[in-house]
Amino acid sequence: GQSLEQPSEVTAVEGAIVQINCTYQTSGFYGLSWYQQHDGGAPTFLSYNALDGLEETGRFSSFLSRSDSYGYLLLQELQMKDSASYFCAVRGGGATNKLIFGTGTLLAVQP
Amino acid sequence: NAGVTQTPKFRVLKTGQSMTLLCAQDMNHEYMYWYRQDPGMGLRLIHYSVGEGTTAKGEVPDGYNVSRLKKQNFLLGLESAAPSQTSVYFCASSYMGEAFFGQGTRLTVV
Repeated sequence: GQSLEQPSEVTAVEGAIVQINCTYQTSGFYGLSWYQQHDGGAPTFLSYNALDGLEETGRFSSFLSRSDSYGYLLLQELQMKDSASYFCAVRGGGATNKLIFGTGTLLAVQP
Repeated sequence: NAGVTQTPKFRVLKTGQSMTLLCAQDMNHEYMYWYRQDPGMGLRLIHYSVGEGTTAKGEVPDGYNVSRLKKQNFLLGLESAAPSQTSVYFCASSYMGEAFFGQGTRLTVV
């Protein structure tokens, strides 16, 4: 099966940097992705890592270590609008290509 | 450019009633998914499809059925609704590592 673990809540101040970690277990692995969801809205895609290393997209970066079954999302120059839930998701399951999500991390950005 | 469209957006059902949720995507994606989201539980995969005419069970498939007769559409059916199926349902389609979500269906079963 597949499972993912991430912290339930993180608090940070405006302008700071925050890192949200994700560890996963899966039989077969294609990649790790990150999504943002504001309260009452739909998840939106942020980043995807299929290979080890760092992917940078503006203020957001994502890292993957396949040997450690670990990844993280790094948010820089935090803004109030970054307050949301963040989900890691793993694409795996052999040939089935399931997309399984973690339970999410609620990020609260304080002034 | 609609992306992923879900209908309906809201619905109230009585226990035992049936309904079908429709998901349509215009991006020609092979993979489509149905999730349910409950408070504090994240997104749980109900069923998914890797192409037209194929479906497979996810993490929580009991009480639901799906069909993918056309590549662009993925239907989720509840044959006999139960209060435990009160949730927000999201459909998604994906290409490689990026999934696109519909706006969700808020379903209440009373």
